[in-house]
Amino acid sequence: SAVISQKPSRDICQRGTSLTIQCQVDSQVTMMFWYRQQPGQSLTLIATANQGSEATYESGFVIDKFPISRPNLTFSTLTVSNMSPEDSSIYLCSVLVETQYFGPGTRLLVL
Amino acid sequence: AQSVAQPEDQVNVAEGNPLTVKCTYSVSGNPYLFWYVQYPNRGLQFLLKYITGDNLVKGSYGFEAEFNKSQTSFHLKKPSALVSDSALYFCAVRETDSWGKFQFGAGTQVVVTP
Repeated sequence: SAVISQKPSRDICQRGTSLTIQCQVDSQVTMMFWYRQQPGQSLTLIATANQGSEATYESGFVIDKFPISRPNLTFSTLTVSNMSPEDSSIYLCSVLVETQYFGPGTRLLVL
Repeated sequence: AQSVAQPEDQVNVAEGNPLTVKCTYSVSGNPYLFWYVQYPNRGLQFLLKYITGDNLVKGSYGFEAEFNKSQTSFHLKKPSALVSDSALYFCAVRETDSWGKFQFGAGTQVVVTP
């Protein structure tokens, strides 16, 4: 298993600004994922972030809007850039250790 | 392409009664199947998985699931539901060559009444 923490747990931001979300894992893992989830809804994969390579983005998500860093095997960041109210959501990171384990999420509200 | 369906948006059950949450899947190869639970304002918690072997898989909190290849189903079950089982449940599938990516179902809200 893996224990994952995320910072911040929640934030309220103004449109046009950017927010960087941090994801810290208690062990070294190769594969890390970033998801977006509307409350009560399913998860939408934003990108796969493997250490040592560029993140791979899913259809509808671009690097300019959601830049991702993966500097080592225990840490990653997701930035939500030039935010609009449509970016209000829960952002989750996860790691793959045969099973995917999830962080607690970051609840973002954009005004 | 892999996909998973949870046909019920919500399941209502009285405390002490059996609980079943349905999941069907579609993959081109061998499936890895998973169940997760999400409590309000929390991340997803892993419940159980099927990779290979025994079709009946036991997991956390008294939950179990049965893999049925002919019906392409992986229903989650609990013999006696608790009020604390009220949460959002997600089924997920991963194909062996999907680079670790999971496909999640839409989720089923379980409501257990006292």
